[in-house]
Amino acid sequence: QKEVEQDPGPLSVPEGAIVSLNCTYSNSAFQYFMWYRQYSRKGPELLMYTYSSGNKEDGRFTAQVDKSSKYISLFIRDSQPSDSATYLCAMSKGGSYIPTFGRGTSLIVHP
Amino acid sequence: IAGITQAPTSQILAAGRRMTLRCTQDMRHNAMYWYRQDLGLGLRLIHYSNTAGTTGKGEVPDGYSVSRANTDDFPLTLASAVPSQTSVYFCASSTDSGANVLTFGAGSRLTVL
Repeated sequence: QKEVEQDPGPLSVPEGAIVSLNCTYSNSAFQYFMWYRQYSRKGPELLMYTYSSGNKEDGRFTAQVDKSSKYISLFIRDSQPSDSATYLCAMSKGGSYIPTFGRGTSLIVHP
Repeated sequence: IAGITQAPTSQILAAGRRMTLRCTQDMRHNAMYWYRQDLGLGLRLIHYSNTAGTTGKGEVPDGYSVSRANTDDFPLTLASAVPSQTSVYFCASSTDSGANVLTFGAGSRLTVL
């Protein structure tokens, strides 16, 4: 079992839908939880990150961490075709520890 | 513009040839990394460097070598390319502290025939 599990999709939704992207993990030492977005033929870029449990909101994006269940989510409200990309979760113990990445979920938002 | 520059953007080479992928960052980050990304397998760490002068092996280091002579540059060398090294290669850097957020380059697409 990999340390971080993420369904590769693809996930196809209509424009305006609420999207839920999820990852599970097995290492209880993870303290930082990150979401990266990767457009086709581009490098991943940080979308947002949270420390420990709880929610964090940034515009249409909300990141949620449930450490008791070892489960993290990224919600996208009012999804747009421009949100079509691969979303990678990543987790870290912080400091010099190298983040562990999920395999990424491909999201397609169709008009 | 601050960030990571990778070169070449794309390359086709014959099996058995030597190839060096270049990576330069201007953010004065301590740590640098090389990943390969393959369909269905996600990002896999090849080598990393926590600071200039030191390097370490990642998940898939065989067939690759790196050097870190200074803070800014972290080249990845394939001594004798094989078709299984066909992939997209990403260089990344980080401050090596806090959340240790990685900043990625745009990638180098390598095809080995």
